[in-house]
Amino acid sequence: KAGVTQTPRYLIKTRGQQVTLSCSPISGHRSVSWYQQTPGQGLQFLFEYFSETQRNKGNFPGRFSGRQFSNSRSEMNVSTLELGDSALYLCASSPSGEGYEQYFGPGTRLTVT
Amino acid sequence: GQSLEQPSEVTAVEGAIVQINCTYQTSGFYGLSWYQQHDGGAPTFLSYNALDGLEETGRFSSFLSRSDSYGYLLLQELQMKDSASYFCAVRDRDDKIIFGKGTRLHILP
Repeated sequence: KAGVTQTPRYLIKTRGQQVTLSCSPISGHRSVSWYQQTPGQGLQFLFEYFSETQRNKGNFPGRFSGRQFSNSRSEMNVSTLELGDSALYLCASSPSGEGYEQYFGPGTRLTVT
Repeated sequence: GQSLEQPSEVTAVEGAIVQINCTYQTSGFYGLSWYQQHDGGAPTFLSYNALDGLEETGRFSSFLSRSDSYGYLLLQELQMKDSASYFCAVRDRDDKIIFGKGTRLHILP
C-alpha cells in the first residue's frame, strides 16, 4: 500500500498570510491526525478526524483549523500566519479509531517570514 | 496536568543493549506507544502496550507497568542505523494524543 502523502513538502509564507496543507492517508485508514513539530516543543497534537468528524483538538488557537473529506483525505488551514507557526507539520493516519498505531507522512516544512 | 517524561539523550555502544524510559502522568490512560524518528524523517511506529508486560518485536521490546505509570523501550544488538530519536505517546482520558519530548539515541562504534 502507498504510504501517507502530504503536499506541499516545503512552503514559505509571509506573516499574515494563510496556508492550506493537504494529507492523503493510507488506503482504508479513516482516522487522520495532525501534529506540529518544532525543536523546542516536540510533537504537539493539533487535531484528529475520524469519518469526516473532528474527534478532538489540541491546545492551539482558532487560527488552526482542519477538515476531512469523504475519501478520508484531510486538509489543515492556518490563517493569519505568525513567525512562531514555522514548523514541520505532520499528518498521520491510523487503521483504527483508537489511534495508538499511527503512520506518518513526510511532513510539510512551513517557514513564515 | 498531563505529561510524558523521557531522558533527552542516551548514549550506547554498537552491539550493546539500551533502555529508554518513559514515565507518564495523565488523567486517563489507554496504552503506551513508541515511535522512532531519524533526522529529516517522519516518525515510524514501533510498538504499543495496552496491558502490563513485555511486547517483543525483533530487536525491539517494549514494557509497560500501569501501576507504576512507567514504560520503557529496549533495543538489543544496537546498530548504527538505530541512531535516532525515540518518542513515547499516550491517548489520555480527554482523547488527546500526547507525545513525550523524545530521547535522542547516540550510538558509538
